[in-house]
Amino acid sequence: DTGVSQDPRHKITKRGQNVTFRCDPISEHNRLYWYRQTLGQGPEFLTYFQNEAQLEKSRLLSDRFSAERPKGSFSTLEIQRTEQGDSAMYLCASGTAGYGGFFGPGTRLTVL
Amino acid sequence: AQSVTQLGSHVSVSEGALVLLRCNYSSSVPPYLFWYVQYPNQGLQLLLKYTTGATLVKGINGFEAEFKKSETSFHLTKPSAHMSDAAEYFCAVIYGNNRLAFGKGNQVVVIP
Repeated sequence: DTGVSQDPRHKITKRGQNVTFRCDPISEHNRLYWYRQTLGQGPEFLTYFQNEAQLEKSRLLSDRFSAERPKGSFSTLEIQRTEQGDSAMYLCASGTAGYGGFFGPGTRLTVL
Repeated sequence: AQSVTQLGSHVSVSEGALVLLRCNYSSSVPPYLFWYVQYPNQGLQLLLKYTTGATLVKGINGFEAEFKKSETSFHLTKPSAHMSDAAEYFCAVIYGNNRLAFGKGNQVVVIP
């Protein structure tokens, strides 16, 4: 399968715990994006990498959120001290210049 | 700032009838426009995109959309709805760093 993969697909955690999600992009894509989608809404941009450099972060990305893309390959998104408001679908997309991106299946986070 | 408007969160259509989903955008530069489809608990799949050239764009699954600059619109149509078209549809416009701004989506229900 040469698409974008995300792991885990589902995560249930208790408030205050830390969680980490992984995204494996399409190998030849140098751009990687994270989006968050809450119920009944379209996805909202969180952050963007070009190769290993994190070039842009949304105001939605509070200090509890951190993302990395070591070596310009896979990416991780960590949420520290989770809150119930963090419950959402976290989508990863990869792409090349001039294109919005191919999306992965998403990680659904539920914070109890 | 770029934004996308999709009216009517839920759209019901009879099987075999025309599917019409409306999308209007605001953009300070010539837009790249996209329609994505999302099935339950899955990521987003690209239906079609407009970048430059022909304003009538054909996509997968029999969908097409027409870019009308004068109306700032990019409406999605399919001549004959099928039960498998039941899903959520998102219109999106690309902006800085190739990130996407999405509309709120249309949940399409197909009535047998």
